[in-house]
Amino acid sequence: GQSLEQPSEVTAVEGAIVQINCTYQTSGFYGLSWYQQHDGGAPTFLSYNALDGLEETGRFSSFLSRSDSYGYLLLQELQMKDSASYFCAVRSRDTNAGKSTFGDGTTLTVKP
Amino acid sequence: DAGVTQSPTHLIKTRGQQVTLRCSPKSGHDTVSWYQQALGQGPQFIFQYYEEEERQRGNFPDRFSGHQFPNYSSELNVNALLLGDSALYLCASSLLTSGSYNEQFFGPGTRLTVL
Repeated sequence: GQSLEQPSEVTAVEGAIVQINCTYQTSGFYGLSWYQQHDGGAPTFLSYNALDGLEETGRFSSFLSRSDSYGYLLLQELQMKDSASYFCAVRSRDTNAGKSTFGDGTTLTVKP
Repeated sequence: DAGVTQSPTHLIKTRGQQVTLRCSPKSGHDTVSWYQQALGQGPQFIFQYYEEEERQRGNFPDRFSGHQFPNYSSELNVNALLLGDSALYLCASSLLTSGSYNEQFFGPGTRLTVL
C-alpha cells in the first residue's frame, strides 16, 4: 500500500517563504506531484519530481529525495491568493498519471 | 480549448438510490480517472478508464462502476447509495503515453449529498 504524511496546517505572512513537507511510504514509486486546491475548486497541478533534486517553476519549487522518501513544496513571495490546500501525491511504478495516491493536504493560510 | 467538464455540479440523493455522474475530458486526452474527495481529505482514486475499459481500480466496492464512451467521455455510477458516499467526485483526464509522466487535469467536481 501507500501512505503520505503532510502537515495539516501552515500559516505565513504575505511576502514570506513557506515549505510544505511530505513523507511517503509506498510499495512502488514513479514520482511525486503537488497540487493546489482552493475552497470548492478543482485540484490544479503545480509540479512533479521523478528524480532527486529541485524543480523550479516561478515562485514555486519542489524537491524530492527518493532515498529519504521525502519531498517538499517551497512557495516564495507569498501572496494572499496562495491561501489554499496543497496536496502531495505519489504515482506508483506501474501507472500513468491517473492513479495517484494523495495525502490529506496542507491548508496554507497567508496573512497580511 | 475546453478543460475537463463535469455534470451535474451538485446533486442530492437519498440512501439506497442510484446516481450517475458525467465527465468530458480535456480536448486531446484519452484517459479518464475518477476520484472521491471527502471533506478535509485528499482525493481517493476510484478507477481509471482507457479505450473504453477499466484499467485500474482503487479500493472501492462494486457499487461503484463506470463507463467510457468512444468520444472518451465517461460516467461514474454509484448504486445503493450510503450516507458515507457524500463527497466531492472529481474527474481527471490525461493522455496515456507509456513510460513518461502525463499531467492530469481535474474537473470542477460534482458535489454529492446523500440524505
